[in-house]
Amino acid sequence: DAKTTQPTSMDCAEGRAANLPCNHSTISGNEYVYWYRQIHSQGPQYIIHGLKNNETNEMASLIITEDRKSSTLILPHATLRDTAVYYCIVFGAAGNKLTFGGGTRVLVKP
Amino acid sequence: DVKVTQSSRYLVKRTGEKVFLECVQDMDHENMFWYRQDPGLGLRLIYFSYDVKMKEKGDIPEGYSVSREKKERFSLILESASTNQTSMYLCASLEEGPGYEQYFGPGTRLTVT
Repeated sequence: DAKTTQPTSMDCAEGRAANLPCNHSTISGNEYVYWYRQIHSQGPQYIIHGLKNNETNEMASLIITEDRKSSTLILPHATLRDTAVYYCIVFGAAGNKLTFGGGTRVLVKP
Repeated sequence: DVKVTQSSRYLVKRTGEKVFLECVQDMDHENMFWYRQDPGLGLRLIYFSYDVKMKEKGDIPEGYSVSREKKERFSLILESASTNQTSMYLCASLEEGPGYEQYFGPGTRLTVT
């Protein structure tokens, strides 16, 4: 399984963009990059995923480098409610075990 | 909306008891997963299932077993609960498609005394 590495924690000012990096240098061609977040005492929540192209939805944007060895999750205007642990995961076909890394603990400050 | 439900939010059991954690999903997903989450260790995969009666070990299967008799239900079993199995247990199911979205239940906080 491809492994991911993320910074342990980061702070972000409310209203500013939060850029969360993730390295996945061993990703294989059929594996997607996924981002989830977990707010205290709740189950993880899906944010966004991508394969090669950059993706955007109502929650965030995902920028994947051309070599696919790293990606960045962008929260365009962080709010206090975005304070959470953010997990970057890579996996491919159904049936593969889905493993989570340690995640990045993001604290949005007023 | 996809719903993944877990039988209990909080559970307290005694050492040596047999414990059943139930997970039900209502979206006809093939794949279901059980994780445990502990402070400093993140989410760790215990078992997963990609079809009825099929199961695969995850990273930490010791002390656990699972049952998938129906597609919508995936049960995690602690045959003889121990204090080191005190944890938050999260169930998830996976939608198949061009990209796969995994949906999580709310979690069960199990305390073994």
